[in-house]
Amino acid sequence: KAGVTQTPRYLIKTRGQQVTLSCSPISGHRSVSWYQQTPGQGLQFLFEYFSETQRNKGNFPGRFSGRQFSNSRSEMNVSTLELGDSALYLCASSLGGTEKNTIYFGEGSWLTVV
Amino acid sequence: TQLLEQSPQFLSIQEGENLTVYCNSSSVFSSLQWYRQEPGEGPVLLVTVVTGGEVKKLKRLTFQFGDARKDSSLHITAAQPGDTGLYLCAGVFGGGSYIPTFGRGTSLIVHP
Repeated sequence: KAGVTQTPRYLIKTRGQQVTLSCSPISGHRSVSWYQQTPGQGLQFLFEYFSETQRNKGNFPGRFSGRQFSNSRSEMNVSTLELGDSALYLCASSLGGTEKNTIYFGEGSWLTVV
Repeated sequence: TQLLEQSPQFLSIQEGENLTVYCNSSSVFSSLQWYRQEPGEGPVLLVTVVTGGEVKKLKRLTFQFGDARKDSSLHITAAQPGDTGLYLCAGVFGGGSYIPTFGRGTSLIVHP
């Protein structure tokens, strides 16, 4: 069974640009979550999508957005990039919807903003 | 905001030593997961515990879930260099929320 796939793995962007990251969940998983990981803040929750609807949202500015397609694949977008957006962005998928839900991570997309 | 504390933050040990990592909260977990993350990679799930008092073993790793479901521990016996990595606990607090809260992690280095 294929795991969670994220693309691209590495990218460098300039301040002010925008970036789109892609995530393909495990087959059959309908929930996709996005996390930002930095050395200083650890893993922080961005948002979660289930059946093409955003169900939960973390405390990030509106520059961070996402969407989910009918095949459960998801994208996240960051506009007007800032230096502080440099981080590992992790996508996780799960069956979704229960408190005993387990999420499975992709390898992440390393974003460097210069 | 429900907080999840992990300790210690850093561990540097010699091959063959034993170690324990702790994960605590003042709130009850509905479920709790332990992950291991290597540099530049995503976290890999090690175990999920859901029942108070539960003990699970994965080769040299032993995971315990507290009776009150507010704490958990990960014990590694005879650590090896391949155990090096960041160990993360993630808890779901329930009450209608199923988004896990992550600890800051324990960075483990095992020296040969």
